[in-house]
Amino acid sequence: AQSVTQPDIHITVSEGASLELRCNYSYGATPYLFWYVQSPGQGLQLLLKYFSGDTLVQGIKGFEAEFKRSQSSFNLRKPSVHWSDAAEYFCAVVVNDMRFGAGTRLTVKP
Amino acid sequence: EAQVTQNPRYLITVTGKKLTVTCSQNMNHEYMSWYRQDPGLGLRQIYYSMNVEVTDKGDVPEGYKVSRKEKRNFPLILESPSPNQTSLYFCASSPGRATYGYTFGSGTRLTVV
Repeated sequence: AQSVTQPDIHITVSEGASLELRCNYSYGATPYLFWYVQSPGQGLQLLLKYFSGDTLVQGIKGFEAEFKRSQSSFNLRKPSVHWSDAAEYFCAVVVNDMRFGAGTRLTVKP
Repeated sequence: EAQVTQNPRYLITVTGKKLTVTCSQNMNHEYMSWYRQDPGLGLRQIYYSMNVEVTDKGDVPEGYKVSRKEKRNFPLILESPSPNQTSLYFCASSPGRATYGYTFGSGTRLTVV
């Protein structure tokens, strides 16, 4: 079945530490891939997207993501996390329309 | 400012009382969509619209209606709300197909008692 999986429901990192949020998809073709961030009480904001070309994509707020076709993954990374990065993060794929993973909640410890 | 505007932000209603959540975008986007967000389930699509008078069901359309009479507006209608429709709802728009990425509204938190 077609699906988007974010294996980690909740992640806690210390401020200044590196971050990697995982996303795996299961689709026949390579989909269009997105990461969104949702701050408390807010809507979703687009961080970055991948359509084709360079598999390392740069986004806003210092985030990047790497597409790995062999692993059907599109993991989100940030070298040094700030307290303001605490939020929920959603991976999404588009084949016919946009499908979301269940989300990963990020907590940042001081 | 380019945005998607939803109203109301919060709504508490009783079972069976018809309600409408409005959505408007000022970006001249053709594509609009409604999602509901529930804990542990992420966002699930309710309905989408590819243009005026063109709408189609998403993954969870039961109990909802939509209309697209104008390009900028895409209201979500609950004819007879039930408690299982208690959720956080998001409207979103895109210039073309969803491959462009969506711009989201701020959400409507609906409670049906």
